[in-house]
Amino acid sequence: SAVISQKPSRDICQRGTSLTIQCQVDSQVTMMFWYRQQPGQSLTLIATANQGSEATYESGFVIDKFPISRPNLTFSTLTVSNMSPEDSSIYLCSVGAYSSYNEQFFGPGTRLTVL
Amino acid sequence: LAKITQPISMDSYEGQEVNITCSHNNIATNDYITWYQQFPSQGPRFIIQGYKTKVTNEVASLFIPADRKSSTLSLPRVSLSDTAVYYCLVGDGSNTGKLIFGQGTTLQVKP
Repeated sequence: SAVISQKPSRDICQRGTSLTIQCQVDSQVTMMFWYRQQPGQSLTLIATANQGSEATYESGFVIDKFPISRPNLTFSTLTVSNMSPEDSSIYLCSVGAYSSYNEQFFGPGTRLTVL
Repeated sequence: LAKITQPISMDSYEGQEVNITCSHNNIATNDYITWYQQFPSQGPRFIIQGYKTKVTNEVASLFIPADRKSSTLSLPRVSLSDTAVYYCLVGDGSNTGKLIFGQGTTLQVKP
């Protein structure tokens, strides 16, 4: 298994500002993923962040709004840019498990509120 | 991607067995069926995964019929702490590693 931490755990931000969320893993992993979970909703995949390459974004998400860095095999950041109240969500990172298909380990999430 | 249908919510009582059925009619040959559990204010947690027939671990059992168009997650003798959202996912475990979450089933266990 992998242990994942995220910083900050929560934040309240003003409209128009940006927030960078950090995701730290206790082991080296190739694949990292960023998800958004809006209040009372399911998870939506934002992008896949593999070390050494550009992040791959899902439909509806763009790099200018959600730039991602993946400088090494244990760390990634997601920035939520030019925030609006609609960006209020929980943002989660996850990593894939080598031991079985479709198994991922999730971080605790970052709860973002935009005023 | 397979279209997934599962009940939005279910109620149960402590000590009962709970079965949550997921429909995935157009599952592909290479797809695995995976279930996750999510408690409030936490990230999802992997529960169990299977390809066909029956899989059992210390937490749950997963029953998959021969046509694989549906699957049933079985939680034996639930307790209040099993109150959570349960997600059924179908994917091929390809090198994309992508997981697509559906709406999930909110299980409420009552005393």
